[in-house]
Amino acid sequence: QVQLQESGPGLVKSSETLSLSCSVSGGSISSHYWSWIRQPPGKGLEWIGYIYFTGSTNYNPSLKSRVTISVDTSKNQFSLKLSSVTAADTAVYYCARGGGRFDRWGQGTLVTVSS
Amino acid sequence: DIQMTQSPSSLSASVGDRVTITCQASQDISNYLTWYQQKPGKAPKFLIYDASNLETGVPSRFTGSGSGTHFTFTISSLQPEDIATYYCQQYHNLPLTFGGGTKVEIK
Repeated sequence: QVQLQESGPGLVKSSETLSLSCSVSGGSISSHYWSWIRQPPGKGLEWIGYIYFTGSTNYNPSLKSRVTISVDTSKNQFSLKLSSVTAADTAVYYCARGGGRFDRWGQGTLVTVSS
Repeated sequence: DIQMTQSPSSLSASVGDRVTITCQASQDISNYLTWYQQKPGKAPKFLIYDASNLETGVPSRFTGSGSGTHFTFTISSLQPEDIATYYCQQYHNLPLTFGGGTKVEIK
């Protein structure tokens, strides 16, 4: 059973870069798409972007100028960087398997942007 | 972007009731629709894909239907463990987009 686990700082200062990693266990990161999705407190879900194990990416245009997703197949993990964060980026960030529908999710990690 | 509109935004029903949630897409998405269940403090859980296919292990009281722009999600007999927020999501076009969610509570 594939499992995903997010890791990274829970507090980021405004204007700095948010960095998270997602470790994949119980299966290979190869031959799948992998996504980041976020959920502001009490609100709905927003897809951030995906990466294929080859490194090919696609980002939500609403965040594209600030997002970078990368993959490290040797570590079986992928990562998210979101630059120039503001309070509006405070959310639970999920990593998930899939580039269309998401059949496996990490537990999520809350990232708070402080001023 | 394709807008996904869910209704109602919340509902209250009794155990054993039939519950129906609708999801409307702003343009034709064929059957590229999935449904998720999210319990408080937890990640969403994948329930239904391609509008009507049940993911392995998901109880058969959950069903989905529809195509084009109009979709429905039904719980045939509401159980206490079904208390959650349900989201639809389209994967016909990028960016991938979700409905606003429907919170299901027990009356």
